[in-house]
Amino acid sequence: KAGVTQTPRYLIKTRGQQVTLSCSPISGHRSVSWYQQTPGQGLQFLFEYFSETQRNKGNFPGRFSGRQFSNSRSEMNVSTLELGDSALYLCASREGARNSPLHFGNGTRLTVT
Amino acid sequence: TQLLEQSPQFLSIQEGENLTVYCNSSSVFSSLQWYRQEPGEGPVLLVTVVTGGEVKKLKRLTFQFGDARKDSSLHITAAQPGDTGLYLCAGVGSQGNLIFGKGTKLSVKP
Repeated sequence: KAGVTQTPRYLIKTRGQQVTLSCSPISGHRSVSWYQQTPGQGLQFLFEYFSETQRNKGNFPGRFSGRQFSNSRSEMNVSTLELGDSALYLCASREGARNSPLHFGNGTRLTVT
Repeated sequence: TQLLEQSPQFLSIQEGENLTVYCNSSSVFSSLQWYRQEPGEGPVLLVTVVTGGEVKKLKRLTFQFGDARKDSSLHITAAQPGDTGLYLCAGVGSQGNLIFGKGTKLSVKP
């Protein structure tokens, strides 16, 4: 099976712009989660989608949003970018049960200048 | 708030040495997962521990879950340069999402 695929791998944006990141989960996985990883804060949970519905949400401002399509592919969007949004954004899929392990993609490295 | 604290934050050792890293919480977790992340890649699951007191071995890696299910440790015997990476522990939070510790960054020098 192909692993979790994230595109693009690298992205450079300017403050105030908006960005959309994409994630294709492992075939058959219906749950997709997004995490932000920074050196200072580690991995912080953004949100989880299951069968096109947001199942869970972390403590991030409304500028961060996501969605999931009927084929389980997911996108996350960040509007009005700030310098502090620079991070590695990781997508992970799992079969569905909440204690099942996550399978991560290699992330999108976002730099905001 | 459920938190997982990992120690040490950084560890640099020579090839062949043994080491132990720790994952602690004041909260009880139904299970804990350990991941390893290499530069430029996403975390990869190593093991899940479920039962208090459980010990699992994966080649030179030994994982232990505390009796009270609040802590876990990872012991590596005879470390090799290929063990270099960021080791993360994670537990399922009260809302169903995985909560991660900040990790231990291990460097094994040849």
